[in-house]
Amino acid sequence: DSGVTQTPKHLITATGQRVTLRCSPRSGDLSVYWYQQSLDQGLQFLIQYYNGEERAKGNILERFSAQQFPDLHSELNLSSLELGDSALYFCASSVGLDRASYEQYFGPGTRLTVT
Amino acid sequence: AQTVTQSQPEMSVQEAETVTLSCTYDTSESDYYLFWYKQPPSRQMILVIRQEAYKQQNATENRFSVNFQKAAKSFSLKISDSQLGDAAMYFCAYRSPYNNNDMRFGAGTRLTVKP
Repeated sequence: DSGVTQTPKHLITATGQRVTLRCSPRSGDLSVYWYQQSLDQGLQFLIQYYNGEERAKGNILERFSAQQFPDLHSELNLSSLELGDSALYFCASSVGLDRASYEQYFGPGTRLTVT
Repeated sequence: AQTVTQSQPEMSVQEAETVTLSCTYDTSESDYYLFWYKQPPSRQMILVIRQEAYKQQNATENRFSVNFQKAAKSFSLKISDSQLGDAAMYFCAYRSPYNNNDMRFGAGTRLTVKP
């Protein structure tokens, strides 16, 4: 158990809908990362937050957005969903941004199925 | 941008034998971190081993060891005495300490262990 929690575990929704994925980082971790893993592919970095502020963006679509709240949990919002958005979405956390924080701890993922 | 290449989509090994998974990466940075993650059917991302680029000594974790060749930008994973529980997808990952710490993953190698 990495200490990172994600809810829900599974989500099935229809095209055009909007969903929210939730992540709680390990206790004490300030940095949260979101990754997308499409079927049998590697993980693609989406976005990073540190202590409530956006720090880096990767291959994140404009239909997707995220935020990190004062209690450090994070939410990833996916809107106008398309079939191709079906994937496993991982959240990871690390202590901070400095060199000592190089290790990321991954949550169990949320499997999103768009029908 | 840093890229990570895993040239072996699938590998198989006999139980108790040794197998080596390949990974190469492209970077212009001199300092970075490399990781191998295991993803079993549960889809959880499990950290297997990590290597800091400034350390010349190859990392070892029980039956798992790496062959880190910095000049060749190669980072292979050796699994000794393979066990049935080692069957999984294995991802090589690169992390820069300069670029807000996002992780770049290879496409993965699916390892099958034959009894």
